[in-house]
Order: sequence, then structure tokens, then C-alpha cells
Amino acid sequence: EAGVTQFPSHSVIEKGQTVTLRCDPISGHDNLYWYRRVMGKEIKFLLHFVKESKQDESGMPNNRFLAERTGGTYSTLKVQPAELEDSGVYFCASSEAGTEKLFFGSGTQLSVL
Amino acid sequence: DQQVKQNSPSLSVQEGRISILNCDYTNSMFDYFLWYKKYPAEGPTFLISISSIKDKNEDGRFTVFLNKSAKHLSLHIVPSQPGDSAVYFCAAGGSGTYKYIFGTGTRLKVLA
Repeated sequence: EAGVTQFPSHSVIEKGQTVTLRCDPISGHDNLYWYRRVMGKEIKFLLHFVKESKQDESGMPNNRFLAERTGGTYSTLKVQPAELEDSGVYFCASSEAGTEKLFFGSGTQLSVL
Repeated sequence: DQQVKQNSPSLSVQEGRISILNCDYTNSMFDYFLWYKKYPAEGPTFLISISSIKDKNEDGRFTVFLNKSAKHLSLHIVPSQPGDSAVYFCAAGGSGTYKYIFGTGTRLKVLA
């Protein structure tokens, strides 16, 4: 069974540009999460989808970040316009309904220059 | 303010010995705790979890201990193997919230 897949694995963009990250959760997982790790620090929660609905987006840094999960399947996280402090590794995770065990993707390393 | 703290950024242990990784938390509402292991260029992988109704959970070489009064948990790996070398993250949350707070990680190096 395929795990959580993220694309791209790396992205290097200039300040002010737009970047879209994609996450394909494990098939059948209703819960989808985005997390971010900056400069070797803690892995910080960004938001949580249940199917196509945003359950909790309290971790989103500001309105330059937009997450969507059309049809309750894959999700995208768009950063527009990107700033230097947005650099980090963006992880997507998914879980089955009613379980606490999160399965993580390999992450997207975003570098904003 | 960090609610989940892993105060040791790194730890080195000889193969075959016990590795003890520590984690402290501040929020008394946390009642579910997890440990994740992360290899370079990979996402975190679930290792073991514990609910606040228990004080110990064991899975093979991995045991997690929870001390609620001290707001402290620890992960014991016995015996340690070179393949255990990775970054270990502690995470905490309230059951049913699905929003986990992670620590900064501890890099474990098991020396052959």
C-alpha cells in the first residue's frame, strides 16, 4: 500500500514568488495534516482537514498560506507571496478516522532565497 | 512558549546498552503521547504511544514511561542497535483533538 506522498521533494524559489506543495494521503484516510519544521526546531502543526473540511487551521502563520483539499482526497498548500522565513520542511500526514496514529510523508524542503 | 520540551539535543550510546530519551510537557490537558523516529530525508515514523491512563507501554525493545505528576515521559530502547540512530521526536496532544505538539527532537547515535 502506498504511503503518504508529497511533491515536490525540494523547491527553491525567490522571495515574492508563489509555491504550491502537494500531498496525497494514504487512501481512505479522512484526516490530513500539514506540519512544518523550521531550522531543526520542533515540528509545528499548521492545520488539519477532515475529508474536505478544515477542522483546525490555528497553526497557519498568516494569510499568505492557503490550504485546500478538494474532494477530500489530495491536498495542496500554497504560499503566496513567499517570504524568507517560510523556508523549512513541510510535512503532510494522514490518519484513519478515530485513530491518533499519524503517517507522515517525506516532506517538501522549501528554500526561499 | 514551548509546551513539549526535549532538552537533550543529542545522545550517544554504545551498541547493546540502554538508550533513554526524555521529554517534558507543561500542559496538563495533554492525555496522549507519541514517539516518532526520523531518518534523514524521510518523514517521521510512528514508534510507540501511551495514553494518560497508563504509566508504561512496551513494544519489543521500546518502552515508554509516563509520569503524569512530573509531566515527564521517557523512551527506553534496550538493547540499542546502530539502526536506531535517528532523530526521536516526542509529541503530545488531547485525545480526539488530533493536534499534536512536537518537541525539537533528540538525535540518537548508537555506536558500534
